[in-house]
Amino acid sequence: GAGVSQSPRYKVTKRGQDVALRCDPISGHVSLYWYRQALGQGPEFLTYFNYEAQQDKSGLPNDRFSAERPEGSISTLTIQRTEQRDSAMYRCASSRRDSANSPLHFGNGTRLTVT
Amino acid sequence: DAKTTQPTSMDCAEGRAANLPCNHSTISGNEYVYWYRQIHSQGPQYIIHGLKNNETNEMASLIITEDRKSSTLILPHATLRDTAVYYCIVSARGATNKLIFGTGTLLAVQP
Repeated sequence: GAGVSQSPRYKVTKRGQDVALRCDPISGHVSLYWYRQALGQGPEFLTYFNYEAQQDKSGLPNDRFSAERPEGSISTLTIQRTEQRDSAMYRCASSRRDSANSPLHFGNGTRLTVT
Repeated sequence: DAKTTQPTSMDCAEGRAANLPCNHSTISGNEYVYWYRQIHSQGPQYIIHGLKNNETNEMASLIITEDRKSSTLILPHATLRDTAVYYCIVSARGATNKLIFGTGTLLAVQP
């Protein structure tokens, strides 16, 4: 497809399990961003990549959260030992260039529920 | 990064122009103004952005004041499908386009 694709759309997991969320950006887009969104709130920045290099991970809440983009295309956000407070919508976005003049395009997200 | 201030909510009659204001009084010369919207549980949708000139595209117009301390997003003929949360964000030129979202304006288009 032409847009940012995220999978799975929904993930329910038990507390303590690890989860991996996948993002497939728009073809050719250099930059890829991960956000988290709680109900009723705006998206919260987590981390971003240019090609395969992680440029900024200042928004990752703790060391249970990690992300990679090994070949500069698809990215995986991994949450280890999930906790109930990790429940949220996780959104991925990509942009053509790493520039403030290059809009982000978002996917429809993965809804994570930790029981 | 410059902060933005938007009204929490606004109403607009269907078919009329919706004018959404945004204050960004601490904006610096190299920061762009971006507008996104989010309809229900969908991902944020890019609308328009600008640096200092007014901009127009097929979705909306962006009017930026001469001192750049505020801007207005204009939807010329609002429809019920334009009901959404609208986010005004400033982003630094030349640096990462890491966007910091606020709480936005809930625009309710009334029939």
